[in-house]
Amino acid sequence: QVQLQESGPGLVKPSEMLSLTCTVTGGSISGYYWSWIRQPPGKGLEWIGYIYYTGNTKYNPSLESRVTILVDTSNNQFSLKLYSVTSADTAVYYCARAVDSSGYHAPDYWGQGTLVTVSS
Amino acid sequence: DIQMTQSPSSLSASVGDRVTISCRASQGIRNDLGWYQQKPGKAPKRLIYAASSLQGGVPSRFSGSGSGTDFTLTISSLQPEDFATYYCLQYNSFPQTFGQGTMVEVK
Repeated sequence: QVQLQESGPGLVKPSEMLSLTCTVTGGSISGYYWSWIRQPPGKGLEWIGYIYYTGNTKYNPSLESRVTILVDTSNNQFSLKLYSVTSADTAVYYCARAVDSSGYHAPDYWGQGTLVTVSS
Repeated sequence: DIQMTQSPSSLSASVGDRVTISCRASQGIRNDLGWYQQKPGKAPKRLIYAASSLQGGVPSRFSGSGSGTDFTLTISSLQPEDFATYYCLQYNSFPQTFGQGTMVEVK
């Protein structure tokens, strides 16, 4: 059973960088795409982007100038970096397996989510 | 971006009711649509993919239909554990986009 777990600081100052890591257990990160998705408190879901295990990425144009997603296959992890954050970036951040084993691009396995608050 | 519009935004229903949630895409997305259930404080859970394929382990009272721009999630007989918020997701084009959600509440 594939499991994902987000980790990283829960509080980030405005204008600084948000950095989160997702650790995948119960399966290999290789061969799959991996996503970051966020949800501001009380609001809906926003797709941030995804990365293939080879390092190829696709980002949401609304965030593309400020986001980087990286993969570390040796540690079965992938990460999110969001630069120049503001209070609008306060959200629960989820990592997920972006494409299932049949090739459908609807995330099937999700982490539990981690709340990141942007505040001084 | 493709806009996904769900209706209604919320509904009140009783155990045993048949519930229908709609999702409309701003342009055709073939059948590249998923449905998710989210309970408070939890991650979304995939119910349906490819518009009508039931995720393994999901009760058969859940079903999805539609293609192109109009899609429906149906719960044939609402159970106590089904009170939650439901989201559609299109994955036909980047960026992937979600509907705004439909909250199913106890009547």
